[in-house]
Amino acid sequence: KAGVTQTPRYLIKTRGQQVTLSCSPISGHRSVSWYQQTPGQGLQFLFEYFSETQRNKGNFPGRFSGRQFSNSRSEMNVSTLELGDSALYLCASSRTGMNTEAFFGQGTRLTVV
Amino acid sequence: GQSLEQPSEVTAVEGAIVQINCTYQTSGFYGLSWYQQHDGGAPTFLSYNALDGLEETGRFSSFLSRSDSYGYLLLQELQMKDSASYFCAVRDPGDMRFGAGTRLTVKP
Repeated sequence: KAGVTQTPRYLIKTRGQQVTLSCSPISGHRSVSWYQQTPGQGLQFLFEYFSETQRNKGNFPGRFSGRQFSNSRSEMNVSTLELGDSALYLCASSRTGMNTEAFFGQGTRLTVV
Repeated sequence: GQSLEQPSEVTAVEGAIVQINCTYQTSGFYGLSWYQQHDGGAPTFLSYNALDGLEETGRFSSFLSRSDSYGYLLLQELQMKDSASYFCAVRDPGDMRFGAGTRLTVKP
């Protein structure tokens, strides 16, 4: 079966712009969670969506937002980009939530210049 | 606040056993997860412990002691392909925190 698909794989944006990243979970998975990974801060949890509702949220500013559609596909948006937002953004899907086996996509590498 | 501590690097030889420890401080606790990540790759879920004790999955085992705020990942019969970074992560109400990762190097 198809894995978790993230698009785009690579993205270069300018400070002040906004960006939308997409994540298509494994068929049948209702939970999608998002993470930011940087060399300095490591892996950090952004938020989790389950059945179109944000269920959990990490400690990120309001510039970071997300949503989930009825087909479980999810998007995350970052507005007013800062240089420090340059990172690998990962999403993971699971059947019921972050406690269960989660499958990660290959990530979107965002570079802010 | 929350903090997780795990060793930054561990080296072992092929066929050996290695234990990666994780201690945590959290205001709430649901469970402890472990992830593996190869260089340039995405993390892979290894295990989740919500209750005290040992969970075994093939060559990998994970242990949790909630009273000690401590867990470990045990890798047996090490193979070269096990060279990777290993992250522990704590679930608490509403959030998830990761350790900085342990880089495991397996030598022949």
